[in-house]
Amino acid sequence: SQQGEEDPQALSIQEGENATMNCSYKTSINNLQWYRQNSGRGLVHLILIRSNEREKHSGRLRVTLDTSKKSSSLLITASRAADTASYFCATNIQGGANSKLTFGKGITLSVRP
Amino acid sequence: DGGITQSPKYLFRKEGQNVTLSCEQNLNHDAMYWYRQDPGQGLRLIYYSQIVNDFQKGDIAEGYSVSREKKESFPLTVTSAQKNPTAFYLCASSTYDRGVQNIQYFGAGTRLSVL
Repeated sequence: SQQGEEDPQALSIQEGENATMNCSYKTSINNLQWYRQNSGRGLVHLILIRSNEREKHSGRLRVTLDTSKKSSSLLITASRAADTASYFCATNIQGGANSKLTFGKGITLSVRP
Repeated sequence: DGGITQSPKYLFRKEGQNVTLSCEQNLNHDAMYWYRQDPGQGLRLIYYSQIVNDFQKGDIAEGYSVSREKKESFPLTVTSAQKNPTAFYLCASSTYDRGVQNIQYFGAGTRLSVL
């Protein structure tokens, strides 16, 4: 498996429900980031959590990080149809080139109106 | 209007032809990156550059070449040696400063197909 692996690969929920997406990684990190990609477009940064942080919030987004389990979760509360997109976790590895990120394969989220 | 501009949006390559994808940024970022995205594969790093006149190979550099003569520009050439070039190519940039978080900002992508 690669450095960042998201779970599940695909998620379909009803509008208004919460969406939880998970990411696991293998080596120690400086930080972990979540990005969003609408179909056929570039990625957009959502949130960054440092290795010494456990939880961060941004609007309807909540990210947690458990470095002992090498895992992170992204929670989107009160989902909207406009949240339909692919979501990627990316890790900045400790000891690696400072600016390099390693991306997972992504989670496809579908929010039904 | 700050950001990253990739051109063209769509590109077609004939057999044996080299093609160049353009990436320009006006964010004053030191670092720039090229990724390849195939369906279900996520993003794979082709090349990256953390400073002008210097660049490093990523995970899948074979069949590609880059240059970084200006801070604002990081063109990617897909050579004839790349036998399976059909993919979505994404350029990104970020600050590069040890100890500072490196959020990457992406262009809208170039979709390359083989004729």
